[in-house]
Amino acid sequence: NAGVTQTPKFQVLKTGQSMTLQCAQDMNHNSMYWYRQDPGMGLRLIYYSASEGTTDKGEVPNGYNVSRLNKREFSLRLESAAPSQTSVYFCASKLTGINYGYTFGSGTRLTVV
Amino acid sequence: SQQGEEDPQALSIQEGENATMNCSYKTSINNLQWYRQNSGRGLVHLILIRSNEREKHSGRLRVTLDTSKKSSSLLITASRAADTASYFCATEGSDMRFGAGTRLTVKP
Repeated sequence: NAGVTQTPKFQVLKTGQSMTLQCAQDMNHNSMYWYRQDPGMGLRLIYYSASEGTTDKGEVPNGYNVSRLNKREFSLRLESAAPSQTSVYFCASKLTGINYGYTFGSGTRLTVV
Repeated sequence: SQQGEEDPQALSIQEGENATMNCSYKTSINNLQWYRQNSGRGLVHLILIRSNEREKHSGRLRVTLDTSKKSSSLLITASRAADTASYFCATEGSDMRFGAGTRLTVKP
């Protein structure tokens, strides 16, 4: 039981390059999320998927796209990376309902130069 | 924008002492959660308290919630060096919002 697995753990991109961050969970959770964490700030929601087949924008969606490939996998794509997207990205999942907390992946540290 | 705001931003104590962190928020919530993050790692869920609960315990953790004041506190008793981490509150209402965290250092 691995929980939430994110790949890659580290990535350096040049401005304008594209990449996809992968996330998979094996806990049969319905909801999955992508957050970014910047120094001195809390986590900010980029996109989320309440269930397979649905995705919705969060607080900071500009410059990102997502795909809920199936119940297990939720990917985040940067089409044209910018230095402002340098951050640590976390994927999380949870069961539906207000009595459950998140399970987080270990993060992807992305640097855009 | 952040919903929860933790206080203090940083806290340094000796092993064996108690650590108290506070969280304030602005809008109505369904629940409030506390998470721990060790340096370079993901967040780990510690405890969830629903809006109709006032206090909850889990091991050395005690969480209180005062919805009239829109505030919560996390108490870690008999702290250990391994408790050194950042602690975040998160509020779940119409969406989920995280605070900026309290950086706790427990000195051996």
